[in-house]
Amino acid sequence: DSGVTQTPKHLITATGQRVTLRCSPRSGDLSVYWYQQSLDQGLQFLIQYYNGEERAKGNILERFSAQQFPDLHSELNLSSLELGDSALYFCASSVGALNTEAFFGQGTRLTVV
Amino acid sequence: DQQVKQNSPSLSVQEGRISILNCDYTNSMFDYFLWYKKYPAEGPTFLISISSIKDKNEDGRFTVFLNKSAKHLSLHIVPSQPGDSAVYFCAASPVRSEKLVFGKGTKLTVNP
Repeated sequence: DSGVTQTPKHLITATGQRVTLRCSPRSGDLSVYWYQQSLDQGLQFLIQYYNGEERAKGNILERFSAQQFPDLHSELNLSSLELGDSALYFCASSVGALNTEAFFGQGTRLTVV
Repeated sequence: DQQVKQNSPSLSVQEGRISILNCDYTNSMFDYFLWYKKYPAEGPTFLISISSIKDKNEDGRFTVFLNKSAKHLSLHIVPSQPGDSAVYFCAASPVRSEKLVFGKGTKLTVNP
């Protein structure tokens, strides 16, 4: 158990819909990272928040957004969903702002039908 | 444009033998390299890392070698155990930045 909690574990939704994925970081970790893993792809970095502020942005679509709340949990919002958004979405956390030895959650498997 | 490449999608070895997983990168700004292990239905777990000032880092059965001139790193597992069967991801970042770039992973199977 990494200490990072992601909910829900599975999500099935229709095209055009909007979903919210939730992540609770390890106790004491200030950084939260979101990654997307599509079929046969490596993990693609989406976005990082550090202590409530956006810290770094990767290949995140404009239809996607995220935020980190005062209690440090984070949400990833995916809207106008397309079939190609079906993927595993991982959240990771680390103590500091730099992405070294981050701890990953179990992921949310999103299926868009 | 894949900056971190793991060219072998899978590898099969016998228990007790050495497993060697390879990773190549193209971005010369990469300065810090990590290996993660992932079991099915779990998130990746950090395994071992190496910074560009070193060419080797060892942790128990796991050793990572870095060849900067060849832009190549490898993970050696000796001896391999059935519990090591997992997908191994290589990752890299420039100067401990926020953005880790991952390879597609190599699925290791260790046969008893």
